[in-house]
Amino acid sequence: TQLLEQSPQFLSIQEGENLTVYCNSSSVFSSLQWYRQEPGEGPVLLVTVVTGGEVKKLKRLTFQFGDARKDSSLHITAAQPGDTGLYLCAGPFFSNTGNQFYFGTGTSLTVIP
Amino acid sequence: DAGVIQSPRHEVTEMGQEVTLRCKPISGHDYLFWYRQTMMRGLELLIYFNNNVPIDDSGMPEDRFSAKMPNASFSTLKIQPSEPRDSAVYFCASSPGRTRYGYTFGSGTRLTVV
Repeated sequence: TQLLEQSPQFLSIQEGENLTVYCNSSSVFSSLQWYRQEPGEGPVLLVTVVTGGEVKKLKRLTFQFGDARKDSSLHITAAQPGDTGLYLCAGPFFSNTGNQFYFGTGTSLTVIP
Repeated sequence: DAGVIQSPRHEVTEMGQEVTLRCKPISGHDYLFWYRQTMMRGLELLIYFNNNVPIDDSGMPEDRFSAKMPNASFSTLKIQPSEPRDSAVYFCASSPGRTRYGYTFGSGTRLTVV
């Protein structure tokens, strides 16, 4: 069982459409990060959300951290082909075995021109 | 800064051969991570170092895998002997901290074992 579950797993949309991807957990996270990984490259950090209910915007991308800090969403407005990639959420989790950093299962987005 | 630099970008080797992957982290980053990415399992943490010292290698699949960090600017991940199931993309990442800061990833090494 993954600590961070992302949905949908795959998403294919037309250029100009809007979309939302989700990152969910049954556990509370002190913060969550979103990464985008383009084909053939490593993940690149997009944003970090820290406060419950926090909303951050990065051009056409809007990130929200859930009030209970157990989930996060990424909304893309008017998707462009350049948005194509694998979107990963990630965050630190403190357990009795120590301080770990987890990556989500990922959402693979394809924007068709 | 040039970012995290990995080499080679692609490696094709025959089963049973030794494979060495290399990584140069960002200067000043105290943490270095080795990840493996596959379609089936996603990103898996193999091992991480803090100030050149291996801290957690519980993700290393088996004794065929070993990693070293002889100094702050260089790390290697070695697989000996390699097997077809080791085929994956291997990423190195560095960070100023273990969990508080974002990770900077290299471009990865795509390993194919035939």
